Amino acid sequence: DTAVSQTPKYLVTQMGNDKSIKCEQNLGHDTMYWYKQDSKKFLKIMFSYNNKELIINETVPNRFSPKSPDKAHLNLHINSLELGDSAVYFCASSLWTGEGEKLFFGSGTQLSVL
Amino acid sequence: EDQVTQSPEALRLQEGESSSLNCSYTVSGLRGLFWYRQDPGKGPEFLFTLYSAGEEKEKERLKATLTKKESFLHITAPKPEDSATYLCAVQAGQGGSEKLVFGKGTKLTVNP
Repeated sequence: DTAVSQTPKYLVTQMGNDKSIKCEQNLGHDTMYWYKQDSKKFLKIMFSYNNKELIINETVPNRFSPKSPDKAHLNLHINSLELGDSAVYFCASSLWTGEGEKLFFGSGTQLSVL
Repeated sequence: EDQVTQSPEALRLQEGESSSLNCSYTVSGLRGLFWYRQDPGKGPEFLFTLYSAGEEKEKERLKATLTKKESFLHITAPKPEDSATYLCAVQAGQGGSEKLVFGKGTKLTVNP
């Protein structure tokens, strides 16, 4: 069973379009995230939600809007896509354990804006 | 601003050739240092969390250590299946922020 699943795996689109990426976790975690990994491989947090409430909102253009209908889902909607939005977007959820906080990542969505 | 620097950027080893990866950090109020493994086309996979200087954790051929300024990921007698990008991340500050700051990673290739 996939713990954190995101769709689609690949997304190719034209500049100016609006697109969405969906994420679901079946781990029962309260906290979910969106991370962006750019061409230089830096992984940077974009948003964090705890039980459907926005906790972290990094300096992200307001063309990016996360939506959490319930604590198992955190979708990412992007308006007016730009070339610079091309990257791999990862959804994650987290759990505090005896080893500390563990993030569980999805397999990523590779977004290519042409 | 919190910063994480990993070195080397890439490392090639022969199977069985032990080595170490470095993660140096500059943060105010370290809450935790994390190591992740990322395979091509996949999301990062959790390996370790370290909280205080002097702490060590082991998993199979991997051992992570932490000082006040850096962390090392020691790989003993690596195998080809250990080939991956290893990411270091720090969690800092107060107020319950969950934000992790990642380094660029070290791409490890282990040749048979």
